[in-house]
Amino acid sequence: EVQLVETGGDLIQPGGSLRLSCAASGFTVSSNYMSWVRQAPGKGLEWVSVIYSGGSTYYAESVKGRFTISRDNSKNTLYLQMNGLRAEDTAVYYCARAAGSSGWFDPWGQGTLVTVSS
Amino acid sequence: DIQMTQSPSSLSASVGDRVTITCRTSQSISTYLNWYQQKPGKAPKLLIYAASSLQSGVPSRFSGSASGTYFTLTISSLQPEDFATYYCQQSYSTPYTFGQGTKLEIK
Repeated sequence: EVQLVETGGDLIQPGGSLRLSCAASGFTVSSNYMSWVRQAPGKGLEWVSVIYSGGSTYYAESVKGRFTISRDNSKNTLYLQMNGLRAEDTAVYYCARAAGSSGWFDPWGQGTLVTVSS
Repeated sequence: DIQMTQSPSSLSASVGDRVTITCRTSQSISTYLNWYQQKPGKAPKLLIYAASSLQSGVPSRFSGSASGTYFTLTISSLQPEDFATYYCQQSYSTPYTFGQGTKLEIK
């Protein structure tokens, strides 16, 4: 079964750092395009970042320079390193497999909550 | 960036109704348009990809269409489990923008 499980969400102070993990099963992360999407409380979906199978990475302007997407092929896991966290980064973070560079997101993980507050 | 204009933002309908949600993009994206359903506390679920292709396992009452920069999601006969929030998303280019969402409520 194809599945994604996110972990790492927490309550963190502004300016802090956090690393989210997304463990995949049923497929190989490194052979796929993988994305992070977030959803602030009561708000819509916002795309955050993508890593292509070849290793190219892209980011939303709102997180560029602060967040880094990466993967560990040996662990079949996707990561999102978040530095310089702000209150507006508070959201549920989902990882999702993308069907190629111009593809749809499926499946999605269950999400992990990041709360940035003092 | 490609802007997405999704309408309506909310919609009240009854079981058995036919409903249509629209999404307009700020530039041509061919058919790189996808639709998702999200229920409270759950992850989004893919319904339609590439504008009109039905994802495996999704009921056939869901359909999508495209005309230029104008895209529609239609539910032919609403069922109780269809009351949820729906999002369009373009996958033509990064940033992969989403529409604002349409909350479908029971009348």
